[in-house]
Amino acid sequence: DAGVTQSPTHLIKTRGQQVTLRCSPISGHKSVSWYQQVLGQGPQFIFQYYEKEERGRGNFPDRFSARQFPNYSSELNVNALLLGDSALYLCASGPGVGSYEQYFGPGTRLTVT
Amino acid sequence: GENVEQHPSTLSVQEGDSAVIKCTYSDSASNYFPWYKQELGKGPQLIIDIRSNVGEKKDQRIAVTLNKTAKHFSLHITETQPEDSAVYFCAASISDQAGTALIFGKGTTLSVSS
Repeated sequence: DAGVTQSPTHLIKTRGQQVTLRCSPISGHKSVSWYQQVLGQGPQFIFQYYEKEERGRGNFPDRFSARQFPNYSSELNVNALLLGDSALYLCASGPGVGSYEQYFGPGTRLTVT
Repeated sequence: GENVEQHPSTLSVQEGDSAVIKCTYSDSASNYFPWYKQELGKGPQLIIDIRSNVGEKKDQRIAVTLNKTAKHFSLHITETQPEDSAVYFCAASISDQAGTALIFGKGTTLSVSS
């Protein structure tokens, strides 16, 4: 079975631009979470979505937004990019709220110049 | 806020030795504690997890122990092999989230030399 897939793999953007990252969860999983991993640190929680509704939000500014589609795939949007947004963005899928297991995709490496 | 501290930040062992990584968490309501292995250029891979109603769990060469009173949990890898070399992260569930958000430690870089 396919694992969590993310696109694109790498992305280079300029300060002030906007970016959209995409994620497809494991087949049968209904929950998608987004994490930001800065080099040398552990992943930091951004959002969780389940059944197209936001179920949790981390300590990130409103420039970050996300949504989940009827097929449970998800997009993460970041507006007005800052140099500090450069990181690996990870998507994790899980069976659903109440089931704690989360399985990560390979991530999207975002570089802001 | 919630916090997970992980030690050591780096760990070097000889092949065949055991490796132990320790984590402490701050939120007494946390009830799920996974461990992830992250290899270079890849996403974190779930290797073992434990829930608050269990004190120890084993899966072949890896085991996790949990002490809820002291709010700490540990990963034990026995008979280490070079392919165990990676960055390991502990995590704890965040209790104030409606979903299943995790807070991570800063990671331990494990190097196994042959």
